[in-house]
Amino acid sequence: DTGVSQNPRHKITKRGQNVTFRCDPISEHNRLYWYRQTLGQGPEFLTYFQNEAQLEKSRLLSDRFSAERPKGSFSTLEIQRTEQGDSAMYLCASSRPTATNEKLFFGSGTQLSVL
Amino acid sequence: DQQVKQNSPSLSVQEGRISILNCDYTNSMFDYFLWYKKYPAEGPTFLISISSIKDKNEDGRFTVFLNKSAKHLSLHIVPSQPGDSAVYFCAASGRTSYGKLTFGQGTILTVHP
Repeated sequence: DTGVSQNPRHKITKRGQNVTFRCDPISEHNRLYWYRQTLGQGPEFLTYFQNEAQLEKSRLLSDRFSAERPKGSFSTLEIQRTEQGDSAMYLCASSRPTATNEKLFFGSGTQLSVL
Repeated sequence: DQQVKQNSPSLSVQEGRISILNCDYTNSMFDYFLWYKKYPAEGPTFLISISSIKDKNEDGRFTVFLNKSAKHLSLHIVPSQPGDSAVYFCAASGRTSYGKLTFGQGTILTVHP
């Protein structure tokens, strides 16, 4: 169990640029989540996958955001035409749920700064 | 609309004493509750959870209490240790997806030696 891995750890970009983050979940986990955390707040749900299928997207996920999980393994989160309001910590988590509970294992996140 | 609230931004406790962190929620559809701990530059780490069919769950030094009628839960840490100093997040979810968590704002716990 190597844990959830996220790359890069930090990303600084200029407004209007596109950025892409990668998440490698724990290998036997079939669910993968993306959350976003801003300063002084708790993480907010963005989207999740069961295997390769994207099952739900938050209204926070504007059409500039797109997430993929090809082959149900790693996932990417792309933000197009970044805005200063996109500056946040982007967290990935994975899980293997049971019928009655689900424990998410989070990565260390990607800190995005949009200048 | 903050559905999960942690009204204390910070808590300071002496080593060896009890730490009590509180959390309130408004959505009656929530039926699974968790506490996560977060150190700087790391992702949140699962600490303990409780289902709505229980009112208490214990794991070593950590105990979570759930009062459904008051829509309130608390985390007790006994005895507190300096290594417990971190940000603690309360989170809740419903049966449709237990992994779709709604988090509180977090409470910074500082345990002094």
